[in-house]
Amino acid sequence: AQSVTQLGSHVSVSEGALVLLRCNYSSSVPPYLFWYVQYPNQGLQLLLKYTSAATLVKGINGFEAEFKKSETSFHLTKPSAHMSDAAEYFCAVSDPRNTPLVFGKGTRLSVIA
Amino acid sequence: DAMVIQNPRYQVTQFGKPVTLSCSQTLNHNVMYWYQQKSSQAPKLLFHYYDKDFNNEADTPDNFQSRRPNTSFCFLDIRSPGLGDAAMYLCATSRDPRARGETQYFGPGTRLLVL
Repeated sequence: AQSVTQLGSHVSVSEGALVLLRCNYSSSVPPYLFWYVQYPNQGLQLLLKYTSAATLVKGINGFEAEFKKSETSFHLTKPSAHMSDAAEYFCAVSDPRNTPLVFGKGTRLSVIA
Repeated sequence: DAMVIQNPRYQVTQFGKPVTLSCSQTLNHNVMYWYQQKSSQAPKLLFHYYDKDFNNEADTPDNFQSRRPNTSFCFLDIRSPGLGDAAMYLCATSRDPRARGETQYFGPGTRLLVL
């Protein structure tokens, strides 16, 4: 069975600082990995996804993530945080058999002025 | 713009009174999903339709039902809401679950309050 672990339920950074949100996965087959963002009282929006092409994936709003098979990780980064990045971030995994997405518990990002 | 629409955005119901949440899509996607998301938790898949084929998750309570009368619309029926059913309900769509790494597109959600 697949699973996702997001380390840190809450991350706080200063505006302009590096954002690093951690995600580790467990999958018996090569996974597909996703990062979604959720703003308050909104649905989820796809930031980026990994589907076995390039291991460094660039997404919207300046975010990127790197798939590291040896570390079973798919951490999300952004060089410089902006106030508008404050939201809940979810990492999710599925596999080539297309079982439903399995979400992590989420990480709330706060950006301090 | 193509999108996933959920109505209403906020729904208040009484304990035990049936309630229906609505989702529509203009993406012409084959698959529609319903998720339940409780406060500060990950979305939990309740069920999904692949075209007209209904797929229920094993741990979805019988209290939750769904209907998909056509490609564009999908409904979530809660037959006898309990206090524990208060949550955000998210509808999502995807083109084809058999396609590699398909993205799911989410609606804005309906927040259900049970009094």
